Amino acid sequence: EIVLTQSPATLSLSPGERATLSCRASQSVSSYLAWFQQIPGQPPRLLIYDASKRATGVPARFSGSGSGTDFSLTISSLEPEDFAFYYCQQRSIWPLTFGGGSKVEIK
Amino acid sequence: KLVESGGRVVRPGGSLRLSCVASGFIFDDYGMSWVRQAPGKGLEWVSGLNGQGGSKYYGDSVKGRFTISRDNAKNSLYLEMNSLRAEDTALYYCVRGFSVSYMDVWGKGTTVTVSS
Repeated sequence: EIVLTQSPATLSLSPGERATLSCRASQSVSSYLAWFQQIPGQPPRLLIYDASKRATGVPARFSGSGSGTDFSLTISSLEPEDFAFYYCQQRSIWPLTFGGGSKVEIK
Repeated sequence: KLVESGGRVVRPGGSLRLSCVASGFIFDDYGMSWVRQAPGKGLEWVSGLNGQGGSKYYGDSVKGRFTISRDNAKNSLYLEMNSLRAEDTALYYCVRGFSVSYMDVWGKGTTVTVSS
């Protein structure tokens, strides 16, 4: 099973600041990695797929990068609605796995 | 749109069947998955199958206890859950996406509580 390790667990920032989240895989997943946003009380929302492609309707302030084992999600300038949980997920090798999540909170 | 049903309180060792009805897309064009989230915890992929239902995969924690299936004529996905344990307590999401496609459409979830 591929283990995805996300860091930091919690990121405390102010609106307008830049957020960078990390996801590290225990073995290569090529570019088969996605990022999801989850606001408490809501289902997850697909933000990024294939490591760097934005899903339909996702604002340009969200960007993804990386391949192999190291990936990152960057929010260029935090909006109030961006304070949420973020999860990475790989579809390279069975079973599909998610990272443990990172919380972006208001400082 | 995906709408789940079937979640309830069940005793340890019991069984339950979850259902999910899909609308707004050609159901049998897509693989489907079940993903769960225990209270206050992260996401865990449970099971998935391809568009025709011929390829099925399970997470290690449910293998041998849960069975995924679909009825394309009814635009429906199912999860048969047996030998339920306290650690199966979670919100279960029906999700469009499986192996070759990402999980891009999520239902609101149905809650399963395993407790005596």
